[in-house]
Amino acid sequence: DIVMTQSPDSLAVSLGERATIDCKSSQSVLYSSNNRNYLAWYQQKPGQPPKLLVFWASTRESGVPDRFSGSGSGTDFTLTISSLQAEDAAVYYCQQYYTTPRTFGQGTKLEIK
Amino acid sequence: QVQLVQSGAEVKKPGASVKVSCKASGFIFTGYYIHWVRQAPGQGLEWMGWISPNSGDTNYAQKFQGRVSMTRDTSISTAYVELSSLTSGDTAVYYCARLPYDPGPFDHWGQGTLVTVSS
Repeated sequence: DIVMTQSPDSLAVSLGERATIDCKSSQSVLYSSNNRNYLAWYQQKPGQPPKLLVFWASTRESGVPDRFSGSGSGTDFTLTISSLQAEDAAVYYCQQYYTTPRTFGQGTKLEIK
Repeated sequence: QVQLVQSGAEVKKPGASVKVSCKASGFIFTGYYIHWVRQAPGQGLEWMGWISPNSGDTNYAQKFQGRVSMTRDTSISTAYVELSSLTSGDTAVYYCARLPYDPGPFDHWGQGTLVTVSS
């Protein structure tokens, strides 16, 4: 199984500042034949299901604010929130869909400082 | 609009079984795989498996092999997950999620169903 490890486990960022969450996979999720990274990011708020933010490592889902961006390739990925808003307080998960079983990172709790 | 509406919360005793439903609307049910993911209280997301509503084919996480069954009823656009031999470790919110293409991310999720296992 591919193990997904996120860092940090939690962070507190001030409104308007940048937040960065890292995700590392135990093996590459880059499919060489199409040069795509099979990596997604989700946001989960209390009492709600996860919400898809980014897929193919860097493609923003429709309707997601452009302050959210994904980057990285192979085994190392980053989710960046460029200017933190109050509504961004949540837990964020990365997930690989390169292979079965699908696996998620342990989650990163983002709080407003 | 795409919706996945799940059945209500359940309380079960250890050793029992539970069956959770996921009713799809707003899209062609047989055109998209449905996955199941669970989340124990205060914990992360754990993938359980998938079902193809078109063929009925399934693929289960090894951890649940032998005690999970995913089925569907295409006449009512509903997918089901049934978990047997429940223990307190199965207490969790169970989510269904749609796969827009395979392989792909989960683009729509059900609201979740809390299953509590307690004696």
